[in-house]
Amino acid sequence: GESVGLHLPTLSVQEGDNSIINCAYSNSASDYFIWYKQESGKGPQFIIDIRSNMDKRQGQRVTVLLNKTVKHLSLQIAATQPGDSAVYFCAERGGGADGLTFGKGTHLIIQP
Amino acid sequence: DAGITQSPRHKVTETGTPVTLRCHQTENHRYMYWYRQDPGHGLRLIHYSYGVKDTDKGEVSDGYSVSRSKTEDFLLTLESATSSQTSVYFCAISESAAEPEAFFGQGTRLTVV
Repeated sequence: GESVGLHLPTLSVQEGDNSIINCAYSNSASDYFIWYKQESGKGPQFIIDIRSNMDKRQGQRVTVLLNKTVKHLSLQIAATQPGDSAVYFCAERGGGADGLTFGKGTHLIIQP
Repeated sequence: DAGITQSPRHKVTETGTPVTLRCHQTENHRYMYWYRQDPGHGLRLIHYSYGVKDTDKGEVSDGYSVSRSKTEDFLLTLESATSSQTSVYFCAISESAAEPEAFFGQGTRLTVV
């Protein structure tokens, strides 16, 4: 079946720099995309979402960009902090209640 | 985590034994989900529920059953555990079909030996 994936398994950035985490998806019928953050030993934590009729959405220090032409999703984190170290997952939903399809995750490492 | 409790948090069981994991929520959300998380696979949906006694299968439902007799509880049962079911299991809830699973539990680490 179609799946959501990530370009890089690990991303290392300097504290204070901006981080960009990418995600490629293949299901053109998906109408809802979500980014989650997962810290070690914890469940995924909702960060931000975006619907397919949008191309950009901003939250506190985070921005999600959606490019439906190339089926690409990205999460930008501004002024990365040590607390941002985690695994980040993108996920998509087809519009119904039948759950999410998750990517495999990107491990974000913050260098001091 | 936002009124979701999973129990047990850790369990070791033998192959062939039945195992039941419990998810309890205090948010009164209609939708509840069970996922498993394995290295290299991310999270995969096992079963979900859209109301009391209303459940449906997800991507990896073989070997699992679920029950929801009350809004607040969603049980996942492995009728006869196998080593391939060693995983971390997460419960999630959402208020409506239009919203994502905004809240996840802390997870249950299950080891089948």
